[in-house]
Amino acid sequence: NAGVTQTPKFQVLKTGQSMTLQCAQDMNHEYMSWYRQDPGMGLRLIHYSVGAGITDQGEVPNGYNVSRSTTEDFPLRLLSAAPSQTSVYFCASSYGGSASGTEAFFGQGTRLTVV
Amino acid sequence: RKEVEQDPGPFNVPEGATVAFNCTYSNSASQSFFWYRQDCRKEPKLLMSVYSSGNEDGRFTAQLNRASQYISLLIRDSKLSDSATYLCVVTDRGSTLGRLYFGRGTQLTVWP
Repeated sequence: NAGVTQTPKFQVLKTGQSMTLQCAQDMNHEYMSWYRQDPGMGLRLIHYSVGAGITDQGEVPNGYNVSRSTTEDFPLRLLSAAPSQTSVYFCASSYGGSASGTEAFFGQGTRLTVV
Repeated sequence: RKEVEQDPGPFNVPEGATVAFNCTYSNSASQSFFWYRQDCRKEPKLLMSVYSSGNEDGRFTAQLNRASQYISLLIRDSKLSDSATYLCVVTDRGSTLGRLYFGRGTQLTVWP
């Protein structure tokens, strides 16, 4: 029962480096999203997708890109890492839109430090 | 103004105590309401949805007051295993995607 799988769990980057955070789900969910969690800030939406080939920006999209070529995968790319992107990143998926009250399932998180 | 505001906590209570968390939301068009639980350094997990009529799940009771834009979570007979951060979550009307708005969370520690 894999659910939502995120890799890596931990990452240290130097300022200016790029990297991709991987997210995969095996529940055939249409809805996937990326959040970042910072101390005292709660979780904030970065990007989301309502299905393969469809993505859109969330609350804090700057510095990040996403794509959704398959239902299962939703990678998050950091284009040029900055210390302000030091955070814990969570990928989530759900069967229906949140307005329908369906549960969102989260990956275990990626702890990213940019030095 | 933040979409969702929660009691800052932390709450430190003995086993067996009853504890209540409060949450207010700013968007009167919010449609769905949830409490999520997050253990230290783990991912959030759904604790329970919150319905207009109020709902109960074992020792947990959630209430919603749409007029006051207020949500509450009551935990009775606290257990050590209830120690976690509790996140109040709301969505907008018409949100067809995973657009959840999270409160900052309220930390609960239950001591023996």
